[in-house]
Amino acid sequence: AAGVIQSPRHLIKEKRETATLKCYPIPRHDTVYWYQQGPGQDPQFLISFYEKMQSDKGSIPDRFSAQQFSDYHSELNMSSLELGDSALYFCASSNGAGLLETQYFGPGTRLLVL
Amino acid sequence: DAKTTQPTSMDCAEGRAANLPCNHSTISGNEYVYWYRQIHSQGPQYIIHGLKNNETNEMASLIITEDRKSSTLILPHATLRDTAVYYCIVRVSEYGNKLVFGAGTILRVKS
Repeated sequence: AAGVIQSPRHLIKEKRETATLKCYPIPRHDTVYWYQQGPGQDPQFLISFYEKMQSDKGSIPDRFSAQQFSDYHSELNMSSLELGDSALYFCASSNGAGLLETQYFGPGTRLLVL
Repeated sequence: DAKTTQPTSMDCAEGRAANLPCNHSTISGNEYVYWYRQIHSQGPQYIIHGLKNNETNEMASLIITEDRKSSTLILPHATLRDTAVYYCIVRVSEYGNKLVFGAGTILRVKS
């Protein structure tokens, strides 16, 4: 079965640079979630989109922005990168049409800021 | 969302059943219990969920107490590949409802 695709899988950036992470949801899934997992920490919710509209927002820095496109893929844009942004970034997707929507996660993008 | 409490870690012998408990004493009537696991920096993997009835799928069984204040995830025949962090999450299933990951249980399956 098709899974969530994230690209790139690994990314190395310098401080103050920008980064763009991409997420391609499972076909026919209309909801995308972004999570951040720092070293030794549990995943933390950043932001979500349903039908191309932001549906919820967590502890996402103002330096980060995200959007969902007409084909339902999503991009997380990160500017003025800081050392503390080094983390695993997971995207999850779900089919929001039903009452019991389960989120399925991608393999993650590992971001290292030097 | 209701808070959950899980043991920090557990060990299990390979081939034996792994029983992972979760306490969610403040759960509301419309909140579901979800279980995910994360195998060493991979994306969290959905295991199972339930509302009040016991549930079983190809991966595991979920036993929810009658008062819904606690539950147990059962892996019937644990293998080394089941070594992971297991998260018990309580949430209301509606559009855009995020998962709130607490401190899960590190399950170590040993040969």
